[in-house]
Amino acid sequence: QSVLTQPPSVSGAPGQRVTISCTGSSSNIGAGYDVHWYQQLPGTAPKLLIYGNSNRPSGVPDRFSGSKSGTSASLAITGLQAEDEADYYCQSYDSSLSGWEVFGGGTKLTVL
Amino acid sequence: QVQLQESGPGLVKPSQTLSLTCTVSGGSISSGGYYWSWIRQHPGKGLEWIGYIYYSGSTYYNPSLKSRVTISVDTSKNQFSLKLSSVTAADTAVYYCARASAITIFGVVIRGNWFDPWGQGTLVTVSS
Repeated sequence: QSVLTQPPSVSGAPGQRVTISCTGSSSNIGAGYDVHWYQQLPGTAPKLLIYGNSNRPSGVPDRFSGSKSGTSASLAITGLQAEDEADYYCQSYDSSLSGWEVFGGGTKLTVL
Repeated sequence: QVQLQESGPGLVKPSQTLSLTCTVSGGSISSGGYYWSWIRQHPGKGLEWIGYIYYSGSTYYNPSLKSRVTISVDTSKNQFSLKLSSVTAADTAVYYCARASAITIFGVVIRGNWFDPWGQGTLVTVSS
């Protein structure tokens, strides 16, 4: 059971827009801690996609965007492409216990 | 650019200690500003943060693993290491090392932030 909750799967047709939610609580996202997003293509290591809720690292297309509100965050992907098919993970910090980095359970994006 | 590479045994016997090393190239661990991290992924599952270390030796661990984990740094070799004791089959996973940007408040480094870049990962199987 992950501290951050993501839908197990989402899907969309090429060119469409999809969103992936990441729901936390008052000890992580709701406490104001930043949310970061990673893309994991099959058989590869995760890659940073969004940092600090809504910032894109150099080289990440502007089709990817992030937002945060209250105890949740979202990743939006517009103009879906076949190469976007991957697993997506959110990450934040949780202040419970002694404080720790937490991930969502991951969302499998299927491009139809 | 900074690159990370994990190394270590791919097979560990139950009850023994898992030991992995991450070698950093393209940048110095001693330069500061980053926490050096271990993250694992059980087969077909999500990501689990294990812990991270600052070049000064300051460490933070996942509370659920804290009693079994030790992360250390060797700045002379530009490496950091993971030791996980008393392993069971439940510790079978792909282990990644990664760099985490450090958060600083009033000039004091307090913890890590996002993870970038990551090593390619190494599969460790716990089996007799």
